[in-house]
Amino acid sequence: DTAVSQTPKYLVTQMGNDKSIKCEQNLGHDTMYWYKQDSKKFLKIMFSYNNKELIINETVPNRFSPKSPDKAHLNLHINSLELGDSAVYFCASSHRTGVDTQYFGPGTRLTVL
Amino acid sequence: AQSVAQPEDQVNVAEGNPLTVKCTYSVSGNPYLFWYVQYPNRGLQFLLKYITGDNLVKGSYGFEAEFNKSQTSFHLKKPSALVSDSALYFCAVNYGGATNKLIFGTGTLLAVQP
Repeated sequence: DTAVSQTPKYLVTQMGNDKSIKCEQNLGHDTMYWYKQDSKKFLKIMFSYNNKELIINETVPNRFSPKSPDKAHLNLHINSLELGDSAVYFCASSHRTGVDTQYFGPGTRLTVL
Repeated sequence: AQSVAQPEDQVNVAEGNPLTVKCTYSVSGNPYLFWYVQYPNRGLQFLLKYITGDNLVKGSYGFEAEFNKSQTSFHLKKPSALVSDSALYFCAVNYGGATNKLIFGTGTLLAVQP
C-alpha cells in the first residue's frame, strides 16, 4: 500500500561508480520530484517531471540524470560518484503542477566511500 | 528571491505544554505555505497547508498553523505536546509558479520532554 516507494533504501558505493535509485508512486499522480537532503538536513529540489516531461532542472552536476519511463516512475542515475554526493535522496509526487501537496517517499541514503 | 526562514534550530517543550514552531517567509507574490514533519530515518510527512481562505489552518495529529500576512509568518502550533511529536519540522513555500517548486526552511528540531 506504499504510496511513494524508493529502492534501494541504503546504497553504499565507491567513488567513481555509477548508480541508480528508483522511485515509483501508486497514487495516480502526474508529477514527480527528486530532492537531496544533505548532512545538515537541508532539503533542495533537484528535478521534477510532469507527465514524463522535465519541468524543473535545478543547478545540479550533469552527472545526475533523471529518467521517467512513465508517469508512475522516476529514476535517478548518478555517474562518477563523488564523496559530496553522499546524502539522502527523496522522491516525491503530486497530483499536478501549480500549487499542490507533495507526498514523499522514505528516502535513499547514499554513502560514497 | 523567494525564501523561508525557521529561526530556531531546536525547540524544547514539556509534554502537555503548548508548542510553537516558527516560520517566516519572503515571496514576491501570493505565498502558498506548507508544513512537513520528518521522523528519524523516515521520509517527510505532510501536516498542513495554507493556500487561501481562513488564516487558521488545521492539520494532522492536532497541529494547526496561523497565516499572518502582515508579519509574513506561518507558525505551527499545538495546544498540548506529546513526546511522540518529537521530530524535525520543515516549513516550505510555493510561490505559485507553474512548476509546484517548494523551497524549504532549514528545519526545526522539536524535542518534547516527558
